[in-house]
Amino acid sequence: EAQVTQNPRYLITVTGKKLTVTCSQNMNHEYMSWYRQDPGLGLRQIYYSMNVEVTDKGDVPEGYKVSRKEKRNFPLILESPSPNQTSLYFCASSFGGGNQPQHFGDGTRLSIL
Amino acid sequence: QKEVEQDPGPLSVPEGAIVSLNCTYSNSAFQYFMWYRQYSRKGPELLMYTYSSGNKEDGRFTAQVDKSSKYISLFIRDSQPSDSATYLCAMSNSGAGSYQLTFGKGTKLSVIP
Repeated sequence: EAQVTQNPRYLITVTGKKLTVTCSQNMNHEYMSWYRQDPGLGLRQIYYSMNVEVTDKGDVPEGYKVSRKEKRNFPLILESPSPNQTSLYFCASSFGGGNQPQHFGDGTRLSIL
Repeated sequence: QKEVEQDPGPLSVPEGAIVSLNCTYSNSAFQYFMWYRQYSRKGPELLMYTYSSGNKEDGRFTAQVDKSSKYISLFIRDSQPSDSATYLCAMSNSGAGSYQLTFGKGTKLSVIP
């Protein structure tokens, strides 16, 4: 089954404790992307990757890091999480780029206390 | 002015009604237009995908793009309770902008049996 898998699905943690949200896709997609979804603000792009070792900033990259060492994986790293990063996070992938149909994971709900 | 404007609703209609959902945008470079449906606690899933202006129909769903007015619409005929979800419009460019996808904030739809 074609899917984008995010882990964990839920996480409660404290300010400053480094965390990583993993994302894996099994469709051999070149393009992967991270979004955060907040009430009243909608989905906003954090980072995206056009292929292995190629990444770029989206609209809200501050406080986040990414890496793309393998085609299937695109982890999101919060080096020093803060409460304003409490949000619902989605990973997505597609062939080509953002202008192609995106396949989304089911989200990671992150709470930073 | 926000790049993509979408009325958040909520919108409540009786079963069987025709639903009209709309987005306006300001970036004339957008060429790819999408509608995603998001159920509670799930990731967005692609509903309709169109390139440039015109209409596209898929079952009970019709997507319209009017680039001259910078206006897109999604129509749902014979609405069903299973259509109750949040609907997100999304847009992208070609070329250098093709790696980013800009979303509207979403319209929450409830179809009442």
